Amino acid sequence: GESVGLHLPTLSVQEGDNSIINCAYSNSASDYFIWYKQESGKGPQFIIDIRSNMDKRQGQRVTVLLNKTVKHLSLQIAATQPGDSAVYFCAETSGTGNQFYFGTGTSLTVIP
Amino acid sequence: DAGITQSPRHKVTETGTPVTLRCHQTENHRYMYWYRQDPGHGLRLIHYSYGVKDTDKGEVSDGYSVSRSKTEDFLLTLESATSSQTSVYFCAISEYGGSNQPQHFGDGTRLSIL
Repeated sequence: GESVGLHLPTLSVQEGDNSIINCAYSNSASDYFIWYKQESGKGPQFIIDIRSNMDKRQGQRVTVLLNKTVKHLSLQIAATQPGDSAVYFCAETSGTGNQFYFGTGTSLTVIP
Repeated sequence: DAGITQSPRHKVTETGTPVTLRCHQTENHRYMYWYRQDPGHGLRLIHYSYGVKDTDKGEVSDGYSVSRSKTEDFLLTLESATSSQTSVYFCAISEYGGSNQPQHFGDGTRLSIL
């Protein structure tokens, strides 16, 4: 089966610092990756995605990096704010069907 | 935010009773999904639908059935609920499915089976 996981289950950062959340995947055929943010009592919220033909993609205060050689994905959040406190998890799919595989998540806490 | 409404938001019921969860979307998206979320696990796919009356199983489909009689509604039924089905259930939608675009989620139903 698929294996999508995170290196660190929890992460605490000071407000204003940059945050980096990591994700490993095991399926070399995966070609589409997504980062989600989930606040307590809410559903996952789409943050940013990247396809396997790219190494980097930037959004508003977020950057996703994809290293296909080591099957690693990271989410960088610039100038982390208290509102960024949430669980972040990655998802990946190989595009051969509708099966996304989701990581278990990293809990980000921003210290004011 | 994607127009997805899940109902009920919370439910407590007893083992052996039938339970139906509803997902309603206003986006007219073709694909709809049901996931469960449990501690220590990522979201796991139960069933999905790729059109009216078109459904397929996910990785944890045992004990669950689904129906989709209209584009906007996707129902998840536990015919005879068991304690192992205590979980948070999320509905998701996407316009085209597959690896073309992300899935967007509702805010979940917290289900407790006593």
